[in-house]
Amino acid sequence: QQQVKQSPQSLIVQKGGISIINCAYENTAFDYFPWYQQFPGKGPALLIAIRPDVSEKKEGRFTISFNKSAKQFSLHIMDSQPGDSATYFCAASPGAGSYQLTFGKGTKLSVIP
Amino acid sequence: DAEITQSPRHKITETGRQVTLACHQTWNHNNMFWYRQDLGHGLRLIHYSYGVQDTNKGEVSDGYSVSRSNTEDLPLTLESAASSQTSVYFCASSESRSGNTIYFGEGSWLTVV
Repeated sequence: QQQVKQSPQSLIVQKGGISIINCAYENTAFDYFPWYQQFPGKGPALLIAIRPDVSEKKEGRFTISFNKSAKQFSLHIMDSQPGDSATYFCAASPGAGSYQLTFGKGTKLSVIP
Repeated sequence: DAEITQSPRHKITETGRQVTLACHQTWNHNNMFWYRQDLGHGLRLIHYSYGVQDTNKGEVSDGYSVSRSNTEDLPLTLESAASSQTSVYFCASSESRSGNTIYFGEGSWLTVV
């Protein structure tokens, strides 16, 4: 049973455009939702994260939108750059003394000049 | 600087052999995790530990074992390597606070022939 569903699998965006990646979850116990960025040959690195008590969090060009009632959250990358080309993973953690992350299957983003 | 290191970074082994992947972190984090990454599956949790002598099975634990004898290390052992265990393995660690960042190592590429 996949607890975090991520779409699309791959995404091609023009430089300067907006990249949008969506995730949906099933477990209502999840209370922490990070996004990880992974470059080829490297480990995933935390990009931005949100808690369910806010609907949006912005850090620079990266924004998480969170819809608790729909159990969905998304990553928006504004003014996408070729350097943003990477694989992005959404994830969720249940909290309450449980610290492991359940990941989505990833989205490979390619930003073309 | 504190860090998390994995070794070996690349290994080729034969079916049926025992293999151990090492993971060492210098952050003094209580929580440590092993994930495997496969195309189309994203990152899946193999085992995790919340402290010395504590180990727990994750989503895909069959054929793997871990032990936690100190805070810094969580070695992952493949008891009898199988071709299905060809994958990239990531070790990770975090502090014991809900929502705390999980830091990943650079990965160990394992090929079972």
